[in-house]
Amino acid sequence: KAGVTQTPRYLIKTRGQQVTLSCSPISGHRSVSWYQQTPGQGLQFLFEYFSETQRNKGNFPGRFSGRQFSNSRSEMNVSTLELGDSALYLCASSFVQGYTEAFFGQGTRLTVV
Amino acid sequence: AQRVTQPEKLLSVFKGAPVELKCNYSYSGSPELFWYVQYSRQRLQLLLRHISRESIKGFTADLNKGETSFHLKKPFAQEEDSAMYYCALKAGANSKLTFGKGITLSVRP
Repeated sequence: KAGVTQTPRYLIKTRGQQVTLSCSPISGHRSVSWYQQTPGQGLQFLFEYFSETQRNKGNFPGRFSGRQFSNSRSEMNVSTLELGDSALYLCASSFVQGYTEAFFGQGTRLTVV
Repeated sequence: AQRVTQPEKLLSVFKGAPVELKCNYSYSGSPELFWYVQYSRQRLQLLLRHISRESIKGFTADLNKGETSFHLKKPFAQEEDSAMYYCALKAGANSKLTFGKGITLSVRP
């Protein structure tokens, strides 16, 4: 079966712009989590959605937001981009919330210039 | 709040040498601990979890609640083990997955 799909794979944006990233989970998975991966900080949790509801949230500013649709696909949005937002954004899906194995996508590489 | 500490950023060993990747955690309850691995140009994937008590690709990890550690070990490293390894913790069934900063394992021929 198809894995977690993230689009686009690469993005270049300028400071001040906003960006939307998309994640399609594995078929049947209802929980989607987002992470920011950087060389210095590793993986930092952004938020988790389950059945269209945000269930957990990390310590990121309000410029970072997300949502989940009825088909479990998820989007995250970053407004007023800053240079420090440059990172690999990873999405992970799991069958249900709390299910221990998370399956990761290949990520979206965001570069802010 | 839970925290995962991987004290080293890089471990370089020769093929056939033993490997130990350290992981310490901070959490007052009973956590679930995991090791995830990311090979070059591949996606992050689960390597093993403490509740399974299994050996994957020759790797094992034992949860030591007294020392709050979950070190990953392999007796004889292979070149294909070269990758980025992340230790992760779940504080409860519906909690987020908290990752350490990761360690790069380099196995030289």
